[in-house]
Amino acid sequence: GQNIDQPTEMTATEGAIVQINCTYQTSGFNGLFWYQQHAGEAPTFLSYNVLDGLEEKGRFSSFLSRSKGYSYLLLKELQMKDSASYLCAVSNYKLSFGAGTTVTVRA
Amino acid sequence: DTGVSQDPRHKITKRGQNVTFRCDPISEHNRLYWYRQTLGQGPEFLTYFQNEAQLEKSRLLSDRFSAERPKGSFSTLEIQRTEQGDSAMYLCASSLEGGDYTGELFFGEGSRLTVL
Repeated sequence: GQNIDQPTEMTATEGAIVQINCTYQTSGFNGLFWYQQHAGEAPTFLSYNVLDGLEEKGRFSSFLSRSKGYSYLLLKELQMKDSASYLCAVSNYKLSFGAGTTVTVRA
Repeated sequence: DTGVSQDPRHKITKRGQNVTFRCDPISEHNRLYWYRQTLGQGPEFLTYFQNEAQLEKSRLLSDRFSAERPKGSFSTLEIQRTEQGDSAMYLCASSLEGGDYTGELFFGEGSRLTVL
């Protein structure tokens, strides 16, 4: 089975940086995804890591360490529209999601 | 084709009634997934199809739940004898699997079920 842990909530100020950590224990691994979900909306894809290291995509970066079962999502230059839930998901022929981290960006 | 579509978007029903949700995936996608999400939780896997074959069903899924994907295109999720605990958002997602493709899931807007 899969066990995926991430913090429940985080708060940050507009323009700041926030790092959302995710740890996982899995019986199989085909990659790690991060999704963003605004309240009442469907999750949308942010990033994918299958090899160790950092993937950068504009203001968002994601890091993976397979040996440690650890990933983080880094959000830079925070904007009010980044207030959302961020879901860590492990792929093993299907995606298993963590409970999500609600990020609140304050002015 | 602009994405995954689900119908209905909202359904209110009385306990004990049957409900059916429909999902139309992105046309070239061969995999289709059903997830359930409750407030404050991440999506919980229910079942998935590769073309018309149902490859996996969650052990947590009651026998009251059944899903089909005839002809490998659209899919339906039926819940029989609904209970209040079935109230949730039912999300459908599709992906293109094969070769080196990463398997990114594209989600529909969801069908919100309220059981009174």
